[in-house]
Amino acid sequence: QKEVEQNSGPLSVPEGAIASLNCTYSDRGSQSFFWYRQYSGKSPELIMFIYSNGDKEDGRFTAQLNKASQYVSLLIRDSQPSDSATYLCAARSNDYKLSFGAGTTVTVRA
Amino acid sequence: DTGVSQDPRHKITKRGQNVTFRCDPISEHNRLYWYRQTLGQGPEFLTYFQNEAQLEKSRLLSDRFSAERPKGSFSTLEIQRTEQGDSAMYLCASSNDRGQVQYFGPGTRLTVT
Repeated sequence: QKEVEQNSGPLSVPEGAIASLNCTYSDRGSQSFFWYRQYSGKSPELIMFIYSNGDKEDGRFTAQLNKASQYVSLLIRDSQPSDSATYLCAARSNDYKLSFGAGTTVTVRA
Repeated sequence: DTGVSQDPRHKITKRGQNVTFRCDPISEHNRLYWYRQTLGQGPEFLTYFQNEAQLEKSRLLSDRFSAERPKGSFSTLEIQRTEQGDSAMYLCASSNDRGQVQYFGPGTRLTVT
């Protein structure tokens, strides 16, 4: 079992809709969780991170963390064509390394 | 702050050759990480440095791989006797001492023919 699992996608949403991405993790020692966006052929760029249970909002993005369920999610509101990318979920434990999921590819239809 | 830089951006080599990649972290970031990413997968951790000390190495890092950060600034990753299975994107990231957020460089795409 991989340490971080993401729904495989691809996820297709119409422009202006909400895209919902899910992630589960197996290591209960994980302390922080990160969402990165990766365009094809490019490197990951940080969207946001969360380490407390609950919601964290940044512009059109909301991350949600439930440590009891070992579940992290990312909502993208008012999806734009420029949001079309692969979204990587990562968990960080005490030793600072990040464990990534395989990513979910999102396509926003104009 | 110019971000993390990596060189070269692309490398094509023949099986059996040695290759070396360089990473320059964000200035004053004392933690530096190497990851490898293959198509359709997320990045996989290889190794990390705090200043010049290499603190952790993944079991993915076979004895053909070696990484250094001699002065605690830039780092090099060398792969000896390359194999076709080494073809991947090699990503470098850096963070400050608290290590909360890792910022990635543009990556070096290696193709072994």
